[in-house]
Amino acid sequence: QVQLVQSGAEVKKPGASVKVSCKASGYTFTSYGISWVRQAPGQGLEWMGWISAYNGNTNYAQKLQGRVTMTTDTSTSTAYMELRSLRSDDTAVYYCARVKLPLIFRGLDPWGQGTLVTVSS
Amino acid sequence: DIQLTQSPSFLSASVGDRVTITCRASQGISSYLAWYQQKPGKAPKLLIYAASTLQSGVPSRFSGSGSGTEFTLTISSLQPEDFATYYCQQLNSVLTFGGGTKVEIK
Repeated sequence: QVQLVQSGAEVKKPGASVKVSCKASGYTFTSYGISWVRQAPGQGLEWMGWISAYNGNTNYAQKLQGRVTMTTDTSTSTAYMELRSLRSDDTAVYYCARVKLPLIFRGLDPWGQGTLVTVSS
Repeated sequence: DIQLTQSPSFLSASVGDRVTITCRASQGISSYLAWYQQKPGKAPKLLIYAASTLQSGVPSRFSGSGSGTEFTLTISSLQPEDFATYYCQQLNSVLTFGGGTKVEIK
């Protein structure tokens, strides 16, 4: 079955970077993209961006431009999201989700289990 | 950027009730809208895409409608497992979410 498995929880200090991984299985990795979404404690969902696993094209949320980089490793069917210059308000659960590019209208499905990133001094 | 406004943000309902959630876009987005269900501590789950297409495996009591700037998610007969938070998401190149609607037991 189609599955996305994310890396474990992270604790980082302000100003540091974090890199979260998302390993895909059960489908042809390069036929889809991966989108990243985060959710601060008790808050709603915030879309961060997506990357095409086919050609590496990216589309980032304007708010995160310059701090976020999304990459893929097609040899291991794994997507990565790196966030730099971490602040306390980056504390959130980070999710990856599969997206059928360019058919974005089909939504995000399935989702990974989430990775808690805590930013604290 | 296109903003999505969900209403209500909270609703209290009983098992068997018909429930309707509204999502309004700040500008027209055709039918590029999805609905997700999220339970506490879990990842969101896709229910509906393209405004009205039911995702495979989702019960038929869920339905979506609308186009342009106004959309609705309807649960025809609320079941115990449907108590959750629901989000709409616009599916243009920037995939913003609505603020969410929490459905709780009356």
